[in-house]
Amino acid sequence: KQEVTQIPAALSVPEGENLVLNCSFTDSAIYNLQWFRQDPGKGLTSLLLIQSSQREQTSGRLNASLDKSSGRSTLYIAASQPGDSATYLCALYDDYKLSFGAGTTVTVRA
Amino acid sequence: ETGVTQTPRHLVMGMTNKKSLKCEQHLGHNAMYWYKQSAKKPLELMFVYNFKEQTENNSVPSRFSPECPNSSHLFLHLHTLQPEDSALYLCASSSTGGGSSGANVLTFGAGSRLTVL
Repeated sequence: KQEVTQIPAALSVPEGENLVLNCSFTDSAIYNLQWFRQDPGKGLTSLLLIQSSQREQTSGRLNASLDKSSGRSTLYIAASQPGDSATYLCALYDDYKLSFGAGTTVTVRA
Repeated sequence: ETGVTQTPRHLVMGMTNKKSLKCEQHLGHNAMYWYKQSAKKPLELMFVYNFKEQTENNSVPSRFSPECPNSSHLFLHLHTLQPEDSALYLCASSSTGGGSSGANVLTFGAGSRLTVL
C-alpha cells in the first residue's frame, strides 16, 4: 500500500519568502503525482500535475519536481503572499486511485 | 454549470436520521468517486464507480450506501450514522476509472460538510 508523507505538517513564513513543501512516498511504481491546494472547509483545487515520465512542472510562481527513484516530490512557491495561506496536499495515482498525504498547512504573514 | 457540484454544502443530522449527499458532474466524465476527509487525517477513498458500475468499495460500513444512476450523478445515502462519521465528504470525477493516461486526472467538488450529533 502506498504511504505518502508530507513534511512539515505546518509552516509559517513572512511574506516574500520562498516556500518549499516536501512529499515522500514509498512505492515508486506510480502513474502521476498531483499537488492540490485546500482552503479551510473547502474542496480541493488542483495546482500541478506531474506525469510519471516527467521530472517537473511549472505554473506561474509554482514549480513541482518529481524524483521517482528517491520517492520524493517538492513543491516550490516563489515570493509567497498572504493569499498563499492554505493546506497543500500531495497525491499519487496508482492507476485510478489517489493516495493522499496529510498535507502541509502554510501561513504567510503579512 | 461546469465542474463538479456537491449538495448540500453543510448537513447536520442525528444518529437516527436518513439523509443523502448528491454529486453532479458536467465534465462528460465516466468515473465518479467518494472520498472522506476527517480532521487531521489524509483523504480516504470510499467508493469508485466506472460507467455506473461500482468498481471499488474500500471496506466502507454499510450505513453508507452509494448510488450511481448514470455517469453524471452520484449519491451517498446515509443512515444511522455515528458521531465519528462527521467529516468532509468529497466527490470527484475523471474521464475513466482506470489507465495511466494523464487525461485520467480527478476533478474534485467543493465537498459536503457532515456533522452527526
